[in-house]
Amino acid sequence: DTGVSQNPRHKITKRGQNVTFRCDPISEHNRLYWYRQTLGQGPEFLTYFQNEAQLEKSRLLSDRFSAERPKGSFSTLEIQRTEQGDSAMYLCASSSALAGAPRETQYFGPGTRLLVL
Amino acid sequence: AQKITQTQPGMFVQEKEAVTLDCTYDTSDPSYGLFWYKQPSSGEMIFLIYQGSYDQQNATEGRYSLNFQKARKSANLVISASQLGDSAMYFCAMSANYGNNRLAFGKGNQVVVIP
Repeated sequence: DTGVSQNPRHKITKRGQNVTFRCDPISEHNRLYWYRQTLGQGPEFLTYFQNEAQLEKSRLLSDRFSAERPKGSFSTLEIQRTEQGDSAMYLCASSSALAGAPRETQYFGPGTRLLVL
Repeated sequence: AQKITQTQPGMFVQEKEAVTLDCTYDTSDPSYGLFWYKQPSSGEMIFLIYQGSYDQQNATEGRYSLNFQKARKSANLVISASQLGDSAMYFCAMSANYGNNRLAFGKGNQVVVIP
């Protein structure tokens, strides 16, 4: 078990460019979450997948953001036409959610730090 | 909606001493989970401990224990025998125990352990 991995770890881009981040969850984890963390704040929920289905999106996820999880394994988060306000740490987490189980622990990756100039 | 409040300023703690980090929460969900995560300067969120709202006993994991007071809606983290490697941000989070278990985080507590 190698843990959750994210690539790239850092990304610097110019305003208006598109960026794509990748998350590889712990193998066989059926749920995958994306969070965004700005300086001095805790992470905020963006969206989550159960297997390949995207089941919920936060209002924070504007139309410029899109996430996919083809085949229920890795996930990508794309930001189109980046803005300076998109600068943040983007965290991915995965979990193994069992129906009826009261506890679901999310394990996080190292994050991707995005800086939009 | 779920809300987590962490209001302590940054804390300095002597190595080998214990430290308590405060967390209060608000939710209308009857069943929920409370989590503490550690975030060192590298950025990764490390899971520390979990407490279920119906758990009868306070959770413990090694040097970490959770002081859960349901009536007061508080879930304070106690780190015993602090080590230099404990220097980090600590986040309290909660989730509802059904459907989408997205985590709602507080703003975190900064802890610096001094030798």
